[in-house]
This record gives sequence, C-alpha cells and structure tokens, in this order.
Amino acid sequence: EIVLTQSPGTLSLSPGERATLSCRASQSVSANYLAWYQQKPGQAPSLLIFGASTRATGIPDRFSGSGSGPDFTLTISRLEPEDFAVYYCQQYDGSSPITFGQGTRLDIK
Amino acid sequence: QVKLEQSDSEVKEPGASVKISCKTSGYVFDSYGITWVRQAPGQGLEWMGWIGGYKGKTKYAPKAQDRVTVTTDTSTTTAYMELRNLRSDDTAIYYCARDMSGFTSSWADYWGQGTLVTVSS
Repeated sequence: EIVLTQSPGTLSLSPGERATLSCRASQSVSANYLAWYQQKPGQAPSLLIFGASTRATGIPDRFSGSGSGPDFTLTISRLEPEDFAVYYCQQYDGSSPITFGQGTRLDIK
Repeated sequence: QVKLEQSDSEVKEPGASVKISCKTSGYVFDSYGITWVRQAPGQGLEWMGWIGGYKGKTKYAPKAQDRVTVTTDTSTTTAYMELRNLRSDDTAIYYCARDMSGFTSSWADYWGQGTLVTVSS
C-alpha cells in the first residue's frame, strides 16, 4: 500500500503568516489522486482539496494544493485564526487501499 | 442538504460485535459511495472500507478485511459497518462519509458526526 508521510508533525505560526504543509508518498500517486482534509478538535474532518489542487466547494482561495508524483503541498497563504487545526492528506490511487498521512498539527505561535 | 446521521455511542466487551448505522439524505444515494474511517483517541485517521452506492461493490483495508463488513440498504439510504471480534484497540470514533464515486473509492466530501465505540471488559 502507499504510505503517506506528512511534515512537519507540528507547525507553529502566527495569524497572517504563510503555512506550507508537505505530504510525501512512498510511490507515485497516479493522476494526482490526493486529497487534503482539515480537522478541528471534537469535529469530523472536512474536505479542503481533491485531485491535488482543486478546492472543494466553499473553501477560501487562501488554501491551495499543488504537487504531483510522490510530493504534494498544501499552502495556506495568510493564516486566519480559524485555520489552526490538524491537516491530513489522503491518497485514493486505485492501485492501493486508501491511506491517510499521520497529520500535521498547525498551532498558534 | 446532504446529511449523514450516525447511530449513538456503543460500549462493547472484547470479542463482541458492533454494527454502526449511517442514515443519509439530501442526495441520490446510488450515485455515490460511503467510506468508513476511524480515529482512535488522540490518533490520526484510519480508513476501514468503502461501499459503492451502485451495485454495492466493496473495498476493505487489508488490516480490517477479516473483521469488517460494510453494507447498504438502498430502500432506506442507510449504510452500515459491522466490526466483529472487538479488541481494546478498536476503541475509536468511527465516521461514515459520502465518497464522491459510486464505482471506486475516492475522496469524501460530507461526513457523519462520528460514533464512539468503546471496547472494555
């Protein structure tokens, strides 16, 4: 199965700063079948990005996804207070069972 | 609007089984799948399985496939996940989510509120 490794484990930033979160796959993810989710404490995950770079409905344009092959990035251009949460990447390459990364916690500095 | 409403929390003894329901509404059930994900306390997300709304094709995580069965009842647009031979490390919040594909597992855009399953003697 495809293993996803997210880095860093924890990212401490201030509102207004730019956040760059990484997700690296153990093998190439075909057709950029990669999604990003945000999870706040006590809540279910919510979809941010699918197809590596397509924002889900209602997601602000400060969130952007990029990358291909084994390396993907989620960028939050200017952090808002509500963006501090845990972020997970997920691959849905048909050659492998679905897997999630272990998550990146985005903390307020 | 799209809703996924899950059954209430469960407490089970080791070796027992649990069956969680996920009642959906607000969309054409057959056109999408349902994926099941769990989250142990303080841990990350773990995919358990998927079922297609069209023809009920299933996929399972290798680690789970011997003990998990996912099903649907199209007449009530409800999905179910049964987990057998429960162990203490099955204690987790279990989420159902609408998968964008009715033909193969993909990404999930709407999630249920989660069902806490506690396994304890």
